[in-house]
Amino acid sequence: DGGITQSPKYLFRKEGQNVTLSCEQNLNHDAMYWYRQDPGQGLRLIYYSQIVNDFQKGDIAEGYSVSREKKESFPLTVTSAQKNPTAFYLCASSIIPGQKSNQPQHFGDGTRLSIL
Amino acid sequence: AQKVTQAQTEISVVEKEDVTLDCVYETRDTTYYLFWYKQPPSGELVFLIRRNSFDEQNEISGRYSWNFQKSTSSFNFTITASQVVDSAVYFCALRMNTGFQKLVFGTGTRLLVSP
Repeated sequence: DGGITQSPKYLFRKEGQNVTLSCEQNLNHDAMYWYRQDPGQGLRLIYYSQIVNDFQKGDIAEGYSVSREKKESFPLTVTSAQKNPTAFYLCASSIIPGQKSNQPQHFGDGTRLSIL
Repeated sequence: AQKVTQAQTEISVVEKEDVTLDCVYETRDTTYYLFWYKQPPSGELVFLIRRNSFDEQNEISGRYSWNFQKSTSSFNFTITASQVVDSAVYFCALRMNTGFQKLVFGTGTRLLVSP
């Protein structure tokens, strides 16, 4: 079945450590996204990518980095510069919005990141 | 600026009750798209429904129905005869038709359905 796979499900970070969250999709979608979800808040966009080797900052990109070397993969690195990384991280993919803007984004199961 | 407001933080109902989740949005665009997503305790967001701004026809799908009113900038979602499995956080989202066309989410409404 087509879908989005995020790993790990739970992740713990020590102070000063960088950690990488994995996101893989087999939906043949060009666009991929990373969101952060905090309790009682909606999803906030961290980074997005519409094509391989290209990505753009979202609303809260500071302290995060991404890469898009393959169409299927869009890993997110939470760097030590992100002082409050504890949150639920969701990866999503879609066809490029400009083609059919009413097409929904499809989401993975998320990764819960905590500070040790 | 675009904004989505879900004023109801949490709603508790007893099984078989009907429940309506409110969503009010703000945008200056004339063409836009509205979505509802469900987030069960497992965490993933599940797409439920979408509406184009130029299509105000409301819809019923099984126990779910949607009421889109452009005049009041509202896109409300109703569950008829609620079930325990409906317990989840529900998000309303808005996508514009300009620029990157990112999704703007509301803060979500937690629905608790008790037996």
